[in-house]
Parts: sequence; C-alpha cells; structure tokens
Amino acid sequence: DQQVKQNSPSLSVQEGRISILNCDYTNSMFDYFLWYKKYPAEGPTFLISISSIKDKNEDGRFTVFLNKSAKHLSLHIVPSQPGDSAVYFCAAAQGGSEKLVFGKGTKLTVNP
Amino acid sequence: DAGITQSPRHKVTETGTPVTLRCHQTENHRYMYWYRQDPGHGLRLIHYSYGVKDTDKGEVSDGYSVSRSKTEDFLLTLESATSSQTSVYFCAISGASGGYNEQFFGPGTRLTVL
Repeated sequence: DQQVKQNSPSLSVQEGRISILNCDYTNSMFDYFLWYKKYPAEGPTFLISISSIKDKNEDGRFTVFLNKSAKHLSLHIVPSQPGDSAVYFCAAAQGGSEKLVFGKGTKLTVNP
Repeated sequence: DAGITQSPRHKVTETGTPVTLRCHQTENHRYMYWYRQDPGHGLRLIHYSYGVKDTDKGEVSDGYSVSRSKTEDFLLTLESATSSQTSVYFCAISGASGGYNEQFFGPGTRLTVL
C-alpha cells in the first residue's frame, strides 16, 4: 500500500512560470514532510521541509504548502528555471521515526 | 555537501555471485540507510542502522544483509545476486533521533546483474 503518492509522473512548464508539484499521503500519523530534488547520475538533495504544525514554508523560490485535512502537500517553484529540471521526490516521516517514506517522484522539465 | 562516498560507483556482476557495496561517511552521523531506486518505484528503503551493530529491515530487505562495525561505514551485501537486484543503490545519513532531520544522500552505485 503506497503511503505517499505523487500521481503525476511528469510535468512540463515554461521558464519563468510557476511549477506546482503535488503529493498526497494516506497515513495520518505523518507529521513531517520533505521535498528532494534529484539530477541524473546524482544522489537526491534535500530541498525544503514542513512540519505538520505549519501550513506553509518558504525558501527563496520554493514554497511548500500543507493541507492536513486533505492529506495533501504541494511544492511551488516561482519562477521556474531550466536548472530546476529534475526529478522531485516527496517524503514523509512519522514523529519518533528515523525513517522516511518516499513517493515515486515527478520529473519536472522547464523549457527555455 | 555531507561527506558521503559510495563504492564502487558502477558494478556489473553475474547472477549468483556475492556483491558488497560500501557507504562511508565523515560526518559522524548516527543513522545510515540503504535505498534502491527503480523506475516506477521511487526510493525504497532496504535496511537502516541506528548505531554500530544496530540495524533493522526496511520495506524491501529480502535478499540483502547489512553490517555496521564502525560509525563511518555501512555495508550492503547481496549474498547471491539476482537480476531483480539490478538497480541504483543510494546510501543516506542523518544526524539526530526523532526523525526531524533531513537525510543526506550519497552519489549512488549503479549495479547490473546479468
């Protein structure tokens, strides 16, 4: 049973526009969420996180929104740049656990 | 960047042979993890360690074993490699307990089992 779902395998946007990547989760015990970015032939790198006590966290061009009632989070990238083209993984953790549960990833392509 | 190295970076082996992948960290982090990444599956946890000689299974642990005899090294062993274990393997580390710390990933090892 997939606890973290990224239902869009791919997304294509124009440079300068907003990219919105979505993630849904089923486990109501998750209380910490993270986004990772992965370039080909490299390991994933941490991008941004949010605790369940917040509904928004912002870091430069990247903002993560959390809707606990809908068990949904989204990553907004504004403005999108070609260098943002990568696979983005959503991950979730349950309080007290050292483990992360990852989604399958969404491949973002930002076209010049 | 977190000091994590993986060796080898690429390996081709034959079905039935043993394979050991090494993860080395210079960050003195307590937690270490092994994941595999496959198309359509994302990142799946194989095993993890919460201290020297302390390990536990992840969601896809069958066919794999691990060992951690030193804080800095976490070994993943495929006792008898199968073609279904062809994958990209990532090691990760994290520093504190409670899960409220991001994991830092190594560069990966691409394993091909013929």
